[in-house]
Amino acid sequence: AQSVAQPEDQVNVAEGNPLTVKCTYSVSGNPYLFWYVQYPNRGLQFLLKYITGDNLVKGSYGFEAEFNKSQTSFHLKKPSALVSDSALYFCAVRDGGYSSASKIIFGSGTRLSIRP
Amino acid sequence: DGGITQSPKYLFRKEGQNVTLSCEQNLNHDAMYWYRQDPGQGLRLIYYSQIVNDFQKGDIAEGYSVSREKKESFPLTVTSAQKNPTAFYLCASSATLLGNTIYFGEGSWLTVV
Repeated sequence: AQSVAQPEDQVNVAEGNPLTVKCTYSVSGNPYLFWYVQYPNRGLQFLLKYITGDNLVKGSYGFEAEFNKSQTSFHLKKPSALVSDSALYFCAVRDGGYSSASKIIFGSGTRLSIRP
Repeated sequence: DGGITQSPKYLFRKEGQNVTLSCEQNLNHDAMYWYRQDPGQGLRLIYYSQIVNDFQKGDIAEGYSVSREKKESFPLTVTSAQKNPTAFYLCASSATLLGNTIYFGEGSWLTVV
């Protein structure tokens, strides 16, 4: 069965410092991996995805994520945090098969707080 | 602009009443989804549909119903059988059920009073 874990409920970073939001996953086949961001009372916005190819994926707002197959991880990173990055971040995974039972599974979310 | 429109943004319901949340997309996506999000929590899948006139139960379908009469529309009815309906409801769509990216609407808050 597919699963995804975000081990940190909250991450606190000072503005200008690098940030990392962690995500690990479990799928039976090749993973499709996604990151989304949610601001208060809003829907989820797509940031980036990994399907295949280069392990370092670049996305919106200066975010990037690194796919690590051996560690089954897909951590979200940004070299220099902004106060406006403060939000709730979700990792999601789906296996790359073609079964109708294959659905996207979302993690529990990590609240990122950037202090000025 | 292309996107997913949910309405209303805020809805209040008395106990025992059914309410319907609207979701319309103009992205020409085949697959549509409804998720529930409780405060501070993750997303739970209620129903999904991959083609018109077909839909499947998700993880928490009890107390909810949907229809998919048009490709663009996937309304969700929260029935009186749903014991704890107060939550944030998110509609989403993707090109296909097994397609890549899911895109979300802005959400609807339902409060039972």
